[in-house]
Amino acid sequence: EVQLVESGGGLAQPGESLRLSCVASGFTFRDYGMHWVRQVTGKGLEWVADITSAGVIHYPGSVRGRFTISREDGKNSVYLQINSLTAGDTAVYYCARGTKAVAGVDYWGQGTLVTVSS
Amino acid sequence: QTVVTQEPSLTVSPGGTVTLTCASSTGAVTNDNYPNWFQQKPGQAPRALVYSASNKHSWTPAQFSGSLLGGKAALTLSGVQPEDEAEYYCLLHYGGAWVFGGGTKLTVL
Repeated sequence: EVQLVESGGGLAQPGESLRLSCVASGFTFRDYGMHWVRQVTGKGLEWVADITSAGVIHYPGSVRGRFTISREDGKNSVYLQINSLTAGDTAVYYCARGTKAVAGVDYWGQGTLVTVSS
Repeated sequence: QTVVTQEPSLTVSPGGTVTLTCASSTGAVTNDNYPNWFQQKPGQAPRALVYSASNKHSWTPAQFSGSLLGGKAALTLSGVQPEDEAEYYCLLHYGGAWVFGGGTKLTVL
């Protein structure tokens, strides 16, 4: 059974940094790309990063320069480093698995809540 | 900045059929955009339904089908049931980056 478990969310102050983690199980992690998607409460989904199985990385322009995605295949883990946090980063952050043929997203974690407030 | 547009809301009667669409500000949606569809119910993580326009996941109910229709991606729900009431999101690929649509709130009434 594929499982994705996020952690690392919580309360942070504006300007601080946070590192989110996602541990995967139930599949051969190194063979799949991974994504991070966020959702502000009551709003829609926003794709914020992905990393392919080969380590190629993509970001939308809205987060490029502040967000860093990385993976550690030996630990079946993908990470999202968020720097210079602002209130606008307050959201639930989901980890999701890419489909094998780079055709989308299939499995999702339950998310971790990041709250940025002074 | 690329914008992906969905109907904000749709209403369908139980047992009916409804089609949700997903349009791109860059032009016609094609297979190169690898359209994906997701269902999200309140308090839950999204659940994938369709990838690459028309391919279903192993868990996707038979009543859901994806297609390309008139330059848009489309998700058709047939024989709609009350439990299909949810928010539906499309996701499009643009040469490395992905963009979600704003979502369609489907009401079954």
